[in-house]
Amino acid sequence: GDSVTQMEGPVTLSEEAFLTINCTYTATGYPSLFWYVQYPGEGLQLLLKATKADDKGSNKGFEATYRKETTSFHLEKGSVQVSDSAVYFCALSDLNTGGFKTIFGAGTRLFVKA
Amino acid sequence: NAGVTQTPKFRILKIGQSMTLQCTQDMNHNYMYWYRQDPGMGLKLIYYSVGAGITDKGEVPNGYNVSRSTTEDFPLRLELAAPSQTSVYFCASSYFSGTNYEQYFGPGTRLTVT
Repeated sequence: GDSVTQMEGPVTLSEEAFLTINCTYTATGYPSLFWYVQYPGEGLQLLLKATKADDKGSNKGFEATYRKETTSFHLEKGSVQVSDSAVYFCALSDLNTGGFKTIFGAGTRLFVKA
Repeated sequence: NAGVTQTPKFRILKIGQSMTLQCTQDMNHNYMYWYRQDPGMGLKLIYYSVGAGITDKGEVPNGYNVSRSTTEDFPLRLELAAPSQTSVYFCASSYFSGTNYEQYFGPGTRLTVT
């Protein structure tokens, strides 16, 4: 079945460092890909998405590009802030089959030090 | 809009007790979901609903039941609580329009079964 694999955390960075969180997927169809963020004590919220190959999703300085050839959707940010400390989840959903089931990765915890 | 609301925020149950986790959304979304999040793990889908009166099992439905009598409400019932059901439970709702798809999450219910 479909699956999502993320790099294990935690990832600890200093403020203004460059961030990459790796995400790869396996899917039989043509899924849409998502990054969700979970701040402490809260539910998940959508950070960005890409619906087809070579699409780039971006939001709040974060970017991810849908790479079909490498089945990857790595999350990047050029300069992280303390407020970016959170858990980041990569996810996929096949909207062509109704998108009822979203598959989530295990999550990667990010700590940013001042 | 309040978005997705869940009650209670925290609950401790004894083995064998029953309880209902409440979930309400005010965005008129057709699709609603229940997930559980175990420590260090991604989200696992328990049940989902594509509209009032229609529910279906997700990945980990055993020990749970749901109903969907209205568009707004999607309660999750635990009949005989077991320690393995200790987890954080998230309710979510979504719309689906072409390639526009996003899940909106509630703040979660932290359940401990002892």
